[in-house]
Amino acid sequence: GDSVTQMEGPVTLSEEAFLTINCTYTATGYPSLFWYVQYPGEGLQLLLKATKADDKGSNKGFEATYRKETTSFHLEKGSVQVSDSAVYFCALKKGAQKLVFGQGTRLTINP
Amino acid sequence: SAVISQKPSRDICQRGTSLTIQCQVDSQVTMMFWYRQQPGQSLTLIATANQGSEATYESGFVIDKFPISRPNLTFSTLTVSNMSPEDSSIYLCSVDDSGNTIYFGEGSWLTVV
Repeated sequence: GDSVTQMEGPVTLSEEAFLTINCTYTATGYPSLFWYVQYPGEGLQLLLKATKADDKGSNKGFEATYRKETTSFHLEKGSVQVSDSAVYFCALKKGAQKLVFGQGTRLTINP
Repeated sequence: SAVISQKPSRDICQRGTSLTIQCQVDSQVTMMFWYRQQPGQSLTLIATANQGSEATYESGFVIDKFPISRPNLTFSTLTVSNMSPEDSSIYLCSVDDSGNTIYFGEGSWLTVV
């Protein structure tokens, strides 16, 4: 079946560092890809999405590019802030089928 | 995007009791879902709440334990029945905006003691 694999966490960085959280997927067909973020004590928020190959999703300084050749959707940010500390989930969805989540990556940014 | 409100946001429950979680959406949506997130884990789909018919449950989840109602296109409830400490989780309502994107509520954080 379809699956999503994320970079093992937790990840700890200093403020203003460059961030990459790796996400790869296994799926037949052409899924849509998503990054969700869960801040401490909150629900999930959609961070960004991409619906076809080579699409780039972006929001709040975060970016991810849908790479079909490498089945990847890595999340990047050029300069992280303490407020970016959260758990990040990569997910895929095909049509009306359910979301398939990765295991989540906990990110901590130190001042 | 849809605005999703859940109640209660947090609760501490006694084992053996049941709790009903409400989910209200600010617009009509076809697809509503309930997820569970156990401590430190990813999300697991419990069921799809179908308007006017019985919910569709995922493997490992049964109606007797997690009865779901969906009386209209903006509202759903999830009941966690006969709770045990293993049911301590975040329960999240979510909707599909018909544009292939799923949005989530803030979650209901349950602790069973």
